[in-house]
Amino acid sequence: DTAVSQTPKYLVTQMGNDKSIKCEQNLGHDTMYWYKQDSKKFLKIMFSYNNKELIINETVPNRFSPKSPDKAHLNLHINSLELGDSAVYFCASSLWSGANVLTFGAGSRLTVL
Amino acid sequence: GQQVMQIPQYQHVQEGEDFTTYCNSSTTLSNIQWYKQRPGGHPVFLIQLVKSGEVKKQKRLTFQFGEAKKNSSLHITATQTTDVGTYFCAGFNAGGTSYGKLTFGQGTILTVHP
Repeated sequence: DTAVSQTPKYLVTQMGNDKSIKCEQNLGHDTMYWYKQDSKKFLKIMFSYNNKELIINETVPNRFSPKSPDKAHLNLHINSLELGDSAVYFCASSLWSGANVLTFGAGSRLTVL
Repeated sequence: GQQVMQIPQYQHVQEGEDFTTYCNSSTTLSNIQWYKQRPGGHPVFLIQLVKSGEVKKQKRLTFQFGEAKKNSSLHITATQTTDVGTYFCAGFNAGGTSYGKLTFGQGTILTVHP
């Protein structure tokens, strides 16, 4: 059983399109995250939800909108995709917001042409 | 805001040589974690250090947390080709809130030549 699963694994799309990435965790964790990893491997937090409530919202363009329908799911929708959005997006979860050891998903590689 | 600097960015070693990566935080940390990301993979948690001056070992890996809880290091003895990957430190600071933020260093990409 995959602990943190993301879909799709790969996304190739044109500039201006809208796309979504889905994430689910079966660990019973309360907190979920979206991280962006650029081509230089830098990992930057984008959002964090604790039991469906947004608790971290870094400086991210408002084209990015996370949604957490329940504490086991955290989705990321991106509007009007730009070339600079090309990256690997990792979903992660932790037991609770203060117990911050992260379990990462396999990542979703987004390529914007 | 909190910054975590990690050096070196790249390290190429011959198999059998030692390797060290260093991490420095601009603020005092509650704890520091280390992750390893294999090429094409995702970050995987290695260890968490909490106490000032703490040293932990995992086989050939030795992790240290500085006395001031602002710096940390990971040392690998006698590297093997299976050690290839990117090693990240990540500093956690609760910052007086009920939740904290984990800030990742830039990572050190390790290549091991057989």
